[in-house]
Order: sequence, then C-alpha cells, then structure tokens
Amino acid sequence: GQQLNQSPQSMFIQEGEDVSMNCTSSSIFNTWLWYKQDPGEGPVLLIALYKAGELTSNGRLTAQFGITRKDSFLNISASIPSDVGIYFCAGQVQTNSKLTFGKGITLSVRP
Amino acid sequence: NAGVTQTPKFQVLKTGQSMTLQCAQDMNHEYMSWYRQDPGMGLRLIHYSVGAGITDQGEVPNGYNVSRSTTEDFPLRLLSAAPSQTSVYFCASSRDSLSGNTIYFGEGSWLTVV
Repeated sequence: GQQLNQSPQSMFIQEGEDVSMNCTSSSIFNTWLWYKQDPGEGPVLLIALYKAGELTSNGRLTAQFGITRKDSFLNISASIPSDVGIYFCAGQVQTNSKLTFGKGITLSVRP
Repeated sequence: NAGVTQTPKFQVLKTGQSMTLQCAQDMNHEYMSWYRQDPGMGLRLIHYSVGAGITDQGEVPNGYNVSRSTTEDFPLRLLSAAPSQTSVYFCASSRDSLSGNTIYFGEGSWLTVV
C-alpha cells in the first residue's frame, strides 16, 4: 500500500533555529497536508498543498509540494517553545480518497 | 464551539471486556472517521462513515464495530478488548468527504488493555 516516510522520528533544536522536515513516498499524491499534534491533543491542520511546486506559508511555517508529487517539505523558521509537538505529513491520491499519514516527527525545542 | 467531542478521555480495560468510545460532532459534517495512533506508527484509519446509515472499513478494522444512526454521533465499539488494542483513538469529522483540509480531530481517547 501507499506509505509516507518521515525521518528522523525525533528532532531536537534550539529556540530561534530554523528546522526543515520532509516527507517522501514512492507513490504520487495529488494533495499534501501537514498537521501538528500538541501533547494530549488531536492533530490540527497547518498547511494544505494542491499543486506540484506550490509553496505556501502560514506564519513562520512554509511548506512545499514537490515537483515529482512524491514529496513535500515543511520549514519552521525562528522556532519557539510552543512549536513542540508531533508533525505529521499526509497525502491524498484524489480529492475524495482516504488520507495516508506519515509516522510523524516529534520536535523538541530547547529554550 | 464544541467541534468533535470524544469520551472517555482515559480508560483501562481488562482483556475480553467490551466498551464503546463515544464521538459526537456539532458541525453537521457528513463524514466521520476513527483512527488509532500507536508510537512510531502515525494515524491508521479504523472505520469511516460518509453519512448516517453508511459505514465502511478502513485500514485496521478487525476487533472494532461502528454504527452511524445519526449525523452527529459515530461510536466505536471494542467487542472483546485485547492488549494489541492499547492505543490512542481519535475521532474525526470533515465537511468534504475525507478531505484532509476540512478534517477536524477530537482530543483523543487513551485506552489501555491489561
């Protein structure tokens, strides 16, 4: 089946640093999404991408839909302590198809 | 706004017991789903529903039942709990099919089976 690969499983950065995460697949997806899960909460949508090459920002977050449609990237600039959480990528083959989730990256930010 | 409400938040079960995780949404969403989250595994779809009276299996349906008698409610039933069902369960609803950009998750239910 379709799989999304996120690695490493955990990342540790210093407050103020930028961090990049990527999500790769051997399959093509036509929608890429990035979610954040705060400790003890459900995932919340950060950014949705619909077109190959698309670059979209949400505050200090920027995500890109890879040209090959097999990857996506999320960048967080000038990290702050509240950026701590698990970041999931997700993909959809078609608009009405089920979501496929990556395994998530746990981000820790040292003050 | 309540959004998606799950109960209970925490539950400990003995192997073989049955229980129901409740999920309710107040956004009049047609589409609802249940996921489980295990360490290092991401979110896996258990069952989903595209409207009242309609349910279908997801990726990991075994050991779980669902029903959708109303638009608002989508309970998940564990028929005979097993330790492998220890997990965090998330209910979700969405306006446009299973579309990821309109999906709202509940806060999760932590289930431990001993």
